[in-house]
Amino acid sequence: DVKVTQSSRYLVKRTGEKVFLECVQDMDHENMFWYRQDPGLGLRLIYFSYDVKMKEKGDIPEGYSVSREKKERFSLILESASTNQTSMYLCASSFNGVQPQHFGDGTRLSIL
Amino acid sequence: AQSVTQPDIHITVSEGASLELRCNYSYGATPYLFWYVQSPGQGLQLLLKYFSGDTLVQGIKGFEAEFKRSQSSFNLRKPSVHWSDAAEYFCAVVLRSNDYKLSFGAGTTVTVRA
Repeated sequence: DVKVTQSSRYLVKRTGEKVFLECVQDMDHENMFWYRQDPGLGLRLIYFSYDVKMKEKGDIPEGYSVSREKKERFSLILESASTNQTSMYLCASSFNGVQPQHFGDGTRLSIL
Repeated sequence: AQSVTQPDIHITVSEGASLELRCNYSYGATPYLFWYVQSPGQGLQLLLKYFSGDTLVQGIKGFEAEFKRSQSSFNLRKPSVHWSDAAEYFCAVVLRSNDYKLSFGAGTTVTVRA
């Protein structure tokens, strides 16, 4: 079965810290995505990647960066965490652009 | 602006009653359409998808959805709700013209009362 694994379910960090969120998929999918989820706003796309070492900005990339050194792993980086980045972060992957995305269980990140 | 709209933020339904969740999109072309469900503390699970063909689509957990091009709608239905259907439901679309990025509605929270 398809599996997308996010390294942490809950994470608490301090303002100004550099934060890494890790995501691994075991389906050999080409595409990987990072979203943040906030009440009343649904899911908003931060960054996505169609191939190793490739990245594209989503709708809200400010304050974030990503890394994809291997096909199965997609990392989200908060360069200098701020309180407004407290949110639920969801990783997803898909075989191609049209096929459904498969989601991890999410990381609930709190920035204090 | 292009968007996905779920008009109902919260719906309460009795167990055994029918459920309908609304979804409208405003795009020039017909997008690829999806419904996802998110149980508390979990990621999103795909319920069903529509690409083309028969406009009535069957999904998992007894859900179905109907695509109506004239109304730009893709409403989700279930004839008889179970307590385990309490969750948040998201409508989403993919457009070829938008680099196949998935755009979500804001979600509808479903509460099931005994």
